[in-house]
Amino acid sequence: ELKVEQNPLFLSMQEGKNYTIYCNYSTTSDRLYWYRQDPGKSLESLFVLLSNGAVKQEGRLMASLDTKARLSTLHITAAVHDLSATYFCAVDKVRFGAGTRLTVKP
Amino acid sequence: DAGVIQSPRHEVTEMGQEVTLRCKPISGHNSLFWYRQTMMRGLELLIYFNNNVPIDDSGMPEDRFSAKMPNASFSTLKIQPSEPRDSAVYFCASSSQGTVNQPQHFGDGTRLSIL
Repeated sequence: ELKVEQNPLFLSMQEGKNYTIYCNYSTTSDRLYWYRQDPGKSLESLFVLLSNGAVKQEGRLMASLDTKARLSTLHITAAVHDLSATYFCAVDKVRFGAGTRLTVKP
Repeated sequence: DAGVIQSPRHEVTEMGQEVTLRCKPISGHNSLFWYRQTMMRGLELLIYFNNNVPIDDSGMPEDRFSAKMPNASFSTLKIQPSEPRDSAVYFCASSSQGTVNQPQHFGDGTRLSIL
């Protein structure tokens, strides 16, 4: 059974700091997706990673994929309060991680 | 573009009743996904369609759940009979097939409560 593990599940960070969210998965796949969800809202697609070594960046967020290690990372640079949300990774749009609830404090 | 439209936004009904959730995908999108989100189980894919054909329904919990996509602009998810454990937020999403790297667009969801 395909498993997707995210860590940490909860992340509290100060504005201006950097941090990384990790997404490990248990099957060979080269299709990894990242989403954002604000409290009580729907999901927003952030990144689509389709090959080993893929790197995508949007503003203060950068996502990467290492298919050999079965690992994707979401790196946050110089966090701001507006980034507070829950971030999910998913393999093949089918299996989701449990989500990382990010809180950015001033 | 109107985005993915789901209805109703909220549904409260009693156990045993039939529930029908509706989704209108973005025009031109030919992949449609139904997901369920709960605190206990997180986000789960229930079923997805390509060109109106169900491709993977392995996530449909049991025979009480059924989904249809009679045309490219409409899909339904039906629960009959409903049970309290079906209470969740149900999301519909659509994307373009063909180019795998097309992102999904999600509807606002239907918050379902079964009493």
